[in-house]
Amino acid sequence: DAGVTQSPTHLIKTRGQQVTLRCSPKSGHDTVSWYQQALGQGPQFIFQYYEEEERQRGNFPDRFSGHQFPNYSSELNVNALLLGDSALYLCASSLSFRALVGYTFGSGTRLTVV
Amino acid sequence: DAKTTQPNSMESNEEEPVHLPCNHSTISGTDYIHWYRQLPSQGPEYVIHGLTSNVNNRMASLAIAEDRKSSTLILHRATLRDAAVYYCILRKPFNNDMRFGAGTRLTVKP
Repeated sequence: DAGVTQSPTHLIKTRGQQVTLRCSPKSGHDTVSWYQQALGQGPQFIFQYYEEEERQRGNFPDRFSGHQFPNYSSELNVNALLLGDSALYLCASSLSFRALVGYTFGSGTRLTVV
Repeated sequence: DAKTTQPNSMESNEEEPVHLPCNHSTISGTDYIHWYRQLPSQGPEYVIHGLTSNVNNRMASLAIAEDRKSSTLILHRATLRDAAVYYCILRKPFNNDMRFGAGTRLTVKP
């Protein structure tokens, strides 16, 4: 049973560029959340998607946007990249955003902005 | 929002029990206590959660204080594979903004 799949695993971008990260949720899960994890820190919540809509958002600027597709997969887009956007970006899936259930996380995409 | 406090690091010997503490003195009545762990080079992994009563699953046990202001994650027999950062998180029903702190880095010595 495949868990959460993220692509690419590593990415290097130049300051000012735009980036798209992709996530396929665990089979049977319909809700996708995105987190940013800076080196040595805990993950920070970016936003969550359910039924193709952004349902909840953390304290991140509008440069961070996302999308969820009918097959529940999701994309995270970051515009106008800053050096401070360098981090591990984690995708987590769960069954129904209303339920109090544990999340399944992917291994993340390591983004380096130079 | 209620916050959690965990020790930065702990050490344990292999095959011995480990008790990982978490303080959450400002917890509200609707906050669930969740534990996740993050192994090196991996995303966080769900471990266990509870509200008021102690909980057990195949991975660990969660002991919750009677006043709910603290909790303890118990690994009954630590293995080298349990070396990870353990996060204690408070989460409200219908709120998916899980706030991770810095967690406790557990080192398991052979």
